[in-house]
Amino acid sequence: SQTIHQWPATLVQPVGSPLSLECTVEGTSNPNLYWYRQAAGRGLQLLFYSVGIGQISSEVPQNLSASRPQDRQFILSSKKLLLSDSGFYLCAWWGRLNTGELFFGEGSRLTVL
Amino acid sequence: GDSVTQMEGPVTLSEEAFLTINCTYTATGYPSLFWYVQYPGEGLQLLLKATKADDKGSNKGFEATYRKETTSFHLEKGSVQVSDSAVYFCALSGVRGGSNYKLTFGKGTLLTVNP
Repeated sequence: SQTIHQWPATLVQPVGSPLSLECTVEGTSNPNLYWYRQAAGRGLQLLFYSVGIGQISSEVPQNLSASRPQDRQFILSSKKLLLSDSGFYLCAWWGRLNTGELFFGEGSRLTVL
Repeated sequence: GDSVTQMEGPVTLSEEAFLTINCTYTATGYPSLFWYVQYPGEGLQLLLKATKADDKGSNKGFEATYRKETTSFHLEKGSVQVSDSAVYFCALSGVRGGSNYKLTFGKGTLLTVNP
């Protein structure tokens, strides 16, 4: 069966420090991968999605970047965090044979101080 | 572009009360519609879905009917339980599969059920 994991689960970082959140998927190949951010009162915002290794689409201009170095690995990064980067970050995958459902990881809560 | 509008929360109900969470959407073509649920401290999980007009999705006592004429997908449950306390998200997929598949979410509605 397929599983998706994110880490770290919780992170507290100072303004200006770098960020790396990692997401891995097991039990499937060539999935679409997604990074969403959930900020208080603002719902879920799609940040990036990837249809394959090295292929990244950015949905909104921002202080963050994403990379997909391997088929089942998706990384969210920043060189210098801003206060506004605080939020709950969710990774998700979609397999081309499924019926439209996105499967989400457990989430990573980032607090920037 | 595609968008989803949900009723503003929070919603607070007593156990066994009737629940309705309204959801309307704007999209081109014929999107699939979803309700996701997020329990405290967790990621999202699919609650139910409908892929074409007049379809009814159902799961765990929750129901929602895809109404194309009113562009709505309201979530209902006849008798809520304390364990239903969570944030509920309405979502749509603007493209039927394909490499650019993605979901657009509403802002979420926090439901609290008191015993």
